[in-house]
Amino acid sequence: GIQVEQSPPDLILQEGANSTLRCNFSDSVNNLQWFHQNPWGQLINLFYIPSGTKQNGRLSATTVATERYSLLYISSSQTTDSGVYFCAVERANTGKLIFGQGTTLQVKP
Amino acid sequence: DAGVIQSPRHEVTEMGQEVTLRCKPISGHNSLFWYRQTMMRGLELLIYFNNNVPIDDSGMPEDRFSAKMPNASFSTLKIQPSEPRDSAVYFCASSTASGYGYTFGSGTRLTVV
Repeated sequence: GIQVEQSPPDLILQEGANSTLRCNFSDSVNNLQWFHQNPWGQLINLFYIPSGTKQNGRLSATTVATERYSLLYISSSQTTDSGVYFCAVERANTGKLIFGQGTTLQVKP
Repeated sequence: DAGVIQSPRHEVTEMGQEVTLRCKPISGHNSLFWYRQTMMRGLELLIYFNNNVPIDDSGMPEDRFSAKMPNASFSTLKIQPSEPRDSAVYFCASSTASGYGYTFGSGTRLTVV
Protein backbone atom coordinates (compact mmCIF):
# COMPACT_ATOMS: atom_id res chain seq x y z
CA GLY A 1 0.00 0.00 0.00
CA ILE A 2 0.91 3.65 -0.16
CA GLN A 3 3.45 4.87 2.39
CA VAL A 4 3.15 8.24 4.10
CA GLU A 5 6.18 9.58 5.93
CA GLN A 6 6.16 12.74 8.00
CA SER A 7 9.12 14.66 9.31
CA PRO A 8 10.25 15.63 11.78
CA PRO A 9 8.53 13.29 14.23
CA ASP A 10 8.87 15.83 17.03
CA LEU A 11 9.41 19.56 17.08
CA ILE A 12 9.79 22.05 19.91
CA LEU A 13 9.49 25.74 19.14
CA GLN A 14 9.59 28.97 21.05
CA GLU A 15 6.47 31.07 20.64
CA GLY A 16 6.80 33.33 17.62
CA ALA A 17 9.06 31.00 15.65
CA ASN A 18 8.25 29.63 12.18
CA SER A 19 8.33 25.99 11.17
CA THR A 20 7.93 23.68 8.18
CA LEU A 21 6.48 20.19 8.41
CA ARG A 22 6.99 17.75 5.58
CA CYS A 23 4.95 14.85 4.20
CA ASN A 24 6.34 12.43 1.63
CA PHE A 25 4.18 9.84 -0.07
CA SER A 26 5.15 6.85 -2.15
CA ASP A 27 2.57 6.90 -4.95
CA SER A 28 0.41 9.30 -6.91
CA VAL A 29 -2.59 10.59 -4.99
CA ASN A 30 -5.75 12.45 -5.81
CA ASN A 31 -6.43 13.69 -2.31
CA LEU A 32 -4.12 15.06 0.37
CA GLN A 33 -5.22 16.65 3.60
CA TRP A 34 -3.57 18.09 6.69
CA PHE A 35 -5.11 17.69 10.12
CA HIS A 36 -4.29 19.04 13.57
CA GLN A 37 -5.01 16.96 16.66
CA ASN A 38 -5.12 19.28 19.64
CA PRO A 39 -4.05 18.25 23.16
CA TRP A 40 -7.67 17.34 23.92
CA GLY A 41 -7.71 14.81 21.09
CA GLN A 42 -9.91 16.65 18.64
CA LEU A 43 -8.93 16.21 14.96
CA ILE A 44 -9.39 19.35 12.90
CA ASN A 45 -9.16 19.50 9.13
CA LEU A 46 -6.69 22.21 8.16
CA PHE A 47 -6.33 21.89 4.41
CA TYR A 48 -7.65 19.90 1.49
CA ILE A 49 -4.70 20.27 -0.87
CA PRO A 50 -4.08 17.61 -3.51
CA SER A 51 -1.94 20.14 -5.39
CA GLY A 52 -0.91 23.78 -5.31
CA THR A 53 -0.76 26.20 -2.40
CA LYS A 54 -3.34 27.38 0.09
CA GLN A 55 -3.18 29.79 3.00
CA ASN A 56 -5.35 30.18 6.06
CA GLY A 57 -4.13 32.83 8.47
CA ARG A 58 -0.75 31.86 9.88
CA LEU A 59 -0.89 28.44 8.23
CA SER A 60 -0.18 27.61 4.64
CA ALA A 61 0.36 24.40 2.71
CA THR A 62 1.95 23.44 -0.57
CA THR A 63 1.66 20.12 -2.38
CA VAL A 64 3.90 19.20 -5.29
CA ALA A 65 2.10 16.14 -6.54
CA THR A 66 4.62 15.32 -9.27
CA GLU A 67 7.37 15.09 -6.67
CA ARG A 68 5.16 13.38 -4.08
CA TYR A 69 5.48 15.70 -1.15
CA SER A 70 3.56 18.31 0.75
CA LEU A 71 4.69 21.00 3.18
CA LEU A 72 2.82 22.68 6.01
CA TYR A 73 4.11 26.07 7.11
CA ILE A 74 3.35 27.54 10.50
CA SER A 75 4.36 31.15 10.96
CA SER A 76 4.57 33.12 14.21
CA SER A 77 3.71 29.99 16.19
CA GLN A 78 1.49 30.22 19.26
CA THR A 79 1.06 27.85 22.19
CA THR A 80 -2.36 26.92 20.81
CA ASP A 81 -0.60 25.43 17.77
CA SER A 82 0.70 22.62 19.97
CA GLY A 83 -0.49 19.12 19.17
CA VAL A 84 0.02 16.54 16.46
CA TYR A 85 -0.10 17.38 12.77
CA PHE A 86 -1.15 14.61 10.43
CA CYS A 87 -0.84 14.31 6.70
CA ALA A 88 -3.30 11.95 5.01
CA VAL A 89 -3.47 10.81 1.41
CA GLU A 90 -5.85 8.91 -0.83
CA ARG A 91 -4.84 7.01 -3.91
CA ALA A 92 -7.03 7.59 -6.92
CA ASN A 93 -10.63 6.59 -6.32
CA THR A 94 -9.91 4.20 -3.47
CA GLY A 95 -11.89 6.26 -0.98
CA LYS A 96 -9.34 5.41 1.69
CA LEU A 97 -7.53 8.23 3.46
CA ILE A 98 -4.25 6.86 4.82
CA PHE A 99 -2.59 8.77 7.65
CA GLY A 100 1.06 9.34 8.38
CA GLN A 101 2.43 8.91 11.88
CA GLY A 102 2.27 12.62 12.56
CA THR A 103 4.57 15.40 13.75
CA THR A 104 4.21 16.29 17.41
CA LEU A 105 4.65 20.02 17.90
CA GLN A 106 5.19 21.73 21.23
CA VAL A 107 5.21 25.52 21.30
CA LYS A 108 6.67 26.97 24.48
CA PRO A 109 5.69 30.40 25.80
CA ASP B 1 -24.54 21.70 11.26
CA ALA B 2 -23.43 20.14 14.54
CA GLY B 3 -20.63 18.24 12.86
CA VAL B 4 -20.03 14.52 13.21
CA ILE B 5 -21.61 13.31 16.45
CA GLN B 6 -20.27 10.30 18.30
CA SER B 7 -21.55 8.61 21.42
CA PRO B 8 -20.65 7.77 24.05
CA ARG B 9 -17.60 10.00 24.66
CA HIS B 10 -16.18 7.52 27.14
CA GLU B 11 -16.90 3.85 27.69
CA VAL B 12 -15.46 1.57 30.33
CA THR B 13 -16.45 -2.06 30.11
CA GLU B 14 -15.36 -5.44 31.34
CA MET B 15 -13.66 -7.95 29.14
CA GLY B 16 -16.17 -10.13 27.33
CA GLN B 17 -18.92 -7.54 27.23
CA GLU B 18 -20.46 -6.20 24.04
CA VAL B 19 -19.66 -2.60 23.15
CA THR B 20 -21.56 -0.47 20.64
CA LEU B 21 -20.24 2.86 19.41
CA ARG B 22 -22.50 5.23 17.52
CA CYS B 23 -21.98 7.89 14.88
CA LYS B 24 -24.14 10.46 13.13
CA PRO B 25 -22.39 11.91 10.05
CA ILE B 26 -22.80 15.38 8.65
CA SER B 27 -25.96 15.71 6.61
CA GLY B 28 -25.18 15.52 2.90
CA HIS B 29 -21.94 13.61 3.36
CA ASN B 30 -22.16 10.25 1.65
CA SER B 31 -18.91 8.69 2.88
CA LEU B 32 -18.43 7.52 6.47
CA PHE B 33 -15.27 6.17 8.06
CA TRP B 34 -14.39 4.42 11.31
CA TYR B 35 -10.84 4.82 12.65
CA ARG B 36 -9.04 3.52 15.71
CA GLN B 37 -6.18 5.46 17.31
CA THR B 38 -3.58 3.96 19.63
CA MET B 39 -0.12 5.07 20.64
CA MET B 40 1.44 2.01 19.07
CA ARG B 41 -0.38 1.94 15.73
CA GLY B 42 -1.46 5.53 15.20
CA LEU B 43 -4.65 6.18 13.22
CA GLU B 44 -5.93 3.05 11.51
CA LEU B 45 -8.85 2.95 9.09
CA LEU B 46 -11.15 0.13 10.12
CA ILE B 47 -13.97 0.37 7.58
CA TYR B 48 -15.64 2.88 5.34
CA PHE B 49 -19.07 3.22 3.78
CA ASN B 50 -20.16 4.99 0.64
CA ASN B 51 -23.88 5.71 0.31
CA ASN B 52 -24.50 3.40 3.29
CA VAL B 53 -22.75 0.46 1.62
CA PRO B 54 -19.57 -0.98 3.17
CA ILE B 55 -16.81 -0.56 0.58
CA ASP B 56 -13.68 -1.70 2.36
CA ASP B 57 -13.52 -3.48 5.70
CA SER B 58 -9.99 -4.78 5.31
CA GLY B 59 -8.92 -2.80 8.36
CA MET B 60 -11.33 -4.52 10.71
CA PRO B 61 -9.04 -6.43 13.04
CA GLU B 62 -11.07 -9.60 13.45
CA ASP B 63 -14.52 -11.12 13.51
CA ARG B 64 -15.25 -9.61 16.89
CA PHE B 65 -15.66 -6.27 15.13
CA SER B 66 -18.67 -5.41 12.99
CA ALA B 67 -20.06 -2.18 11.56
CA LYS B 68 -23.40 -1.21 10.10
CA MET B 69 -24.91 1.81 8.43
CA PRO B 70 -28.67 1.26 8.23
CA ASN B 71 -29.31 4.74 6.83
CA ALA B 72 -27.52 7.90 5.76
CA SER B 73 -27.62 9.45 9.23
CA PHE B 74 -26.48 6.64 11.50
CA SER B 75 -23.71 4.09 11.85
CA THR B 76 -22.60 1.71 14.58
CA LEU B 77 -19.35 -0.09 15.36
CA LYS B 78 -19.80 -3.13 17.56
CA ILE B 79 -17.21 -5.18 19.41
CA GLN B 80 -18.35 -8.53 20.77
CA PRO B 81 -16.77 -9.84 22.91
CA SER B 82 -14.49 -6.98 23.91
CA GLU B 83 -10.89 -7.54 25.01
CA PRO B 84 -8.39 -5.29 26.84
CA ARG B 85 -6.37 -4.85 23.62
CA ASP B 86 -9.38 -3.14 22.07
CA SER B 87 -8.81 -0.19 24.38
CA ALA B 88 -8.30 2.84 22.14
CA VAL B 89 -9.95 5.99 20.88
CA TYR B 90 -12.42 5.26 18.10
CA PHE B 91 -13.16 8.04 15.65
CA CYS B 92 -15.91 8.38 13.11
CA ALA B 93 -15.47 10.74 10.15
CA SER B 94 -17.58 11.73 7.18
CA SER B 95 -16.95 13.48 3.88
CA THR B 96 -18.38 14.12 0.45
CA ALA B 97 -17.73 11.54 -2.23
CA SER B 98 -14.68 13.46 -3.44
CA GLY B 99 -13.15 13.49 0.03
CA TYR B 100 -13.77 17.19 0.48
CA GLY B 101 -14.94 18.40 3.86
CA TYR B 102 -13.46 15.47 5.74
CA THR B 103 -14.66 15.94 9.32
CA PHE B 104 -13.96 13.88 12.42
CA GLY B 105 -16.19 13.38 15.40
CA SER B 106 -14.88 13.91 18.93
CA GLY B 107 -14.14 10.22 19.35
CA THR B 108 -15.08 7.54 21.86
CA ARG B 109 -12.43 6.59 24.39
CA LEU B 110 -12.92 2.89 25.07
CA THR B 111 -11.33 1.16 28.03
CA VAL B 112 -11.77 -2.58 28.42
CA VAL B 113 -10.73 -3.89 31.84
